[in-house]
Amino acid sequence: AQRVTQPEKLLSVFKGAPVELKCNYSYSGSPELFWYVQYSRQRLQLLLRHISRESIKGFTADLNKGETSFHLKKPFAQEEDSAMYYCALSNAGGTSYGKLTFGQGTILTVHP
Amino acid sequence: DAGVIQSPRHEVTEMGQEVTLRCKPISGHNSLFWYRQTMMRGLELLIYFNNNVPIDDSGMPEDRFSAKMPNASFSTLKIQPSEPRDSAVYFCASSLWGTSYEQYFGPGTRLTVT
Repeated sequence: AQRVTQPEKLLSVFKGAPVELKCNYSYSGSPELFWYVQYSRQRLQLLLRHISRESIKGFTADLNKGETSFHLKKPFAQEEDSAMYYCALSNAGGTSYGKLTFGQGTILTVHP
Repeated sequence: DAGVIQSPRHEVTEMGQEVTLRCKPISGHNSLFWYRQTMMRGLELLIYFNNNVPIDDSGMPEDRFSAKMPNASFSTLKIQPSEPRDSAVYFCASSLWGTSYEQYFGPGTRLTVT
């Protein structure tokens, strides 16, 4: 069974400090990993996906298959980064029809 | 495209009443997902469809919950009878399976059952 674990429900940092949101997964096949972000009372939106290897809003995430992790990082946090962040996993291919398994989410608060 | 559309955006109802939530996926998408979000449980997948056919409804909490997708552009999630513990934000999402695994979410329906 596939599982996504975000060990921190709450994370607080000060503006300008580095931030890392942890995500670990368990899956035996070839996963595709995503980070979604939800700003206050808004819809979830895709932040980044490991396949694209891009940096969005200064955030990056590297898939580490050895440690089965996909941590989200930003070197200098901004107040507008305050939001709920979800890590999600999809089994590439298969018969899941695009089903995503989400972690429990981490609420990031960036203080001025 | 206007994205995934959900209605109503807010619903307040009394315990025992029937509630129907509606979703219009992005045109051309072939998979549709219903989620429930609460502070306690986070984001839970309730049911999902592919090409209008329900694939997995194991996340539906009870028989009081039912979902339909009569055509490619419309889906409903019904709760009958509603209970206070059903209060949550319900999200609908759609994706184009076979091309991308990215899901596009609607704005959600905030349900309050008193």
